[in-house]
Amino acid sequence: DIQMTQSPSSLSASVGDSVTITCRTSHNIYNYLNWYQQKPGKAPRLLIYGASSLQSGVPSRFSGSGSGTDFTLTISSLQPEDFASYFCQQTYTTGYQTYRTGYTFGQGTKLEIK
Amino acid sequence: QVQLQESGPGLVKPSETLSLTCSVSDYSISSGYYWGWIRQPPGKGLEWIATIYHSGTTYYNLSLKSRLTMSVDASKNQFSLKLSSVSAADTAVYYCARVEPGMGYHDYWGQGILVTVSS
Repeated sequence: DIQMTQSPSSLSASVGDSVTITCRTSHNIYNYLNWYQQKPGKAPRLLIYGASSLQSGVPSRFSGSGSGTDFTLTISSLQPEDFASYFCQQTYTTGYQTYRTGYTFGQGTKLEIK
Repeated sequence: QVQLQESGPGLVKPSETLSLTCSVSDYSISSGYYWGWIRQPPGKGLEWIATIYHSGTTYYNLSLKSRLTMSVDASKNQFSLKLSSVSAADTAVYYCARVEPGMGYHDYWGQGILVTVSS
């Protein structure tokens, strides 16, 4: 199975700061890595897919990078609405791989106002 | 704008079967995307449950596979999830989502439905 390690689990920052969240996988997943934002009581929202592609409608202060086993989500110039939880998700599949591992999520990062 | 809406009972007794339906609006369920279920226990992270293609090809989380059944009803533009022999550990918010077939990202989500397992 592909193991995922997301860090940090929580993070405090101020409006205007830049923050980085990291996701590491136990196996090479190429660029099959997505990032989601979730606010309390709401469904997750897709931010980044394919490691670095910005989903339509998502502000450009969100960016993703990485390939293989190491990935990052960077939020530059934090806005009040960015304080939320963030999850990475690996979706690397072959027919067999999907059957074995599925679309695993990271443990999540809670971004709080300092 | 694609819309998804989960429906089903909010309370299920232990050992019984949890049944949920996701109704899709403004997009044909047969138009090439996959469709999935994800759950989130209260205060915890996200867990992928299963993904289905309109042809019926299904991928299940191995840890849940023995209890899972997923199906598509293209005539109603709906897909469904059944989870048998539930316990308190299955208490969660259950989300349905549209899944892009190439990269696997979940781009549209339902609002979620809280299912509590309790006698």
